[in-house]
Amino acid sequence: GENVEQHPSTLSVQEGDSAVIKCTYSDSASNYFPWYKQELGKRPQLIIDIRSNVGEKKDQRIAVTLNKTAKHFSLHITETQPEDSAVYFCAASKNTNAGKSTFGDGTTLTVKP
Amino acid sequence: KAGVTQTPRYLIKTRGQQVTLSCSPISGHRSVSWYQQTPGQGLQFLFEYFSETQRNKGNFPGRFSGRQFSNSRSEMNVSTLELGDSALYLCASSMGNQNTEAFFGQGTRLTVV
Repeated sequence: GENVEQHPSTLSVQEGDSAVIKCTYSDSASNYFPWYKQELGKRPQLIIDIRSNVGEKKDQRIAVTLNKTAKHFSLHITETQPEDSAVYFCAASKNTNAGKSTFGDGTTLTVKP
Repeated sequence: KAGVTQTPRYLIKTRGQQVTLSCSPISGHRSVSWYQQTPGQGLQFLFEYFSETQRNKGNFPGRFSGRQFSNSRSEMNVSTLELGDSALYLCASSMGNQNTEAFFGQGTRLTVV
């Protein structure tokens, strides 16, 4: 089955700096890669996603890049703010298993003011 | 539009007992996925129901089961509870016909003593 590895497990940055979180996946058939943000005590919420027919997607300060050949994708957050502090999860799924996502173990991001 | 609702929010059970958790998806969503979240294991996929049928299954023992009703509401049952079943159980709803954004409920915090 699919295996998703996420690095780093913890990340601390200064406010205003950039943060990068990386994930690799094993199943070349995976074609949907969402990123979720989970604040303490709250539910995971989608912040950005990318499909395998696209190499990069941006939404304001957040961007995701996908390298299908190398089977890795990354989350980039620029101009970080204290409210970006949370746990971030990457995930992978494929159309033949729609509804089943394999998640990375999460990255705890701390943005220091 | 109402979000995903999970009940109850908190449960304390004794080893050996059984428990039933409920998830009401967003109106119009036909897919409900269940995940177990623990501090060291991230989000682990349990199973997914689509149109009252289990469409995908994770690697959990048979003590974990579920079902989906005609209104797309889903229940998850855990029998013969073990201490290791203590976790946050999250459900996520989506349209289900292809990979699209999944919306998570607040979760049910299960503690087994």
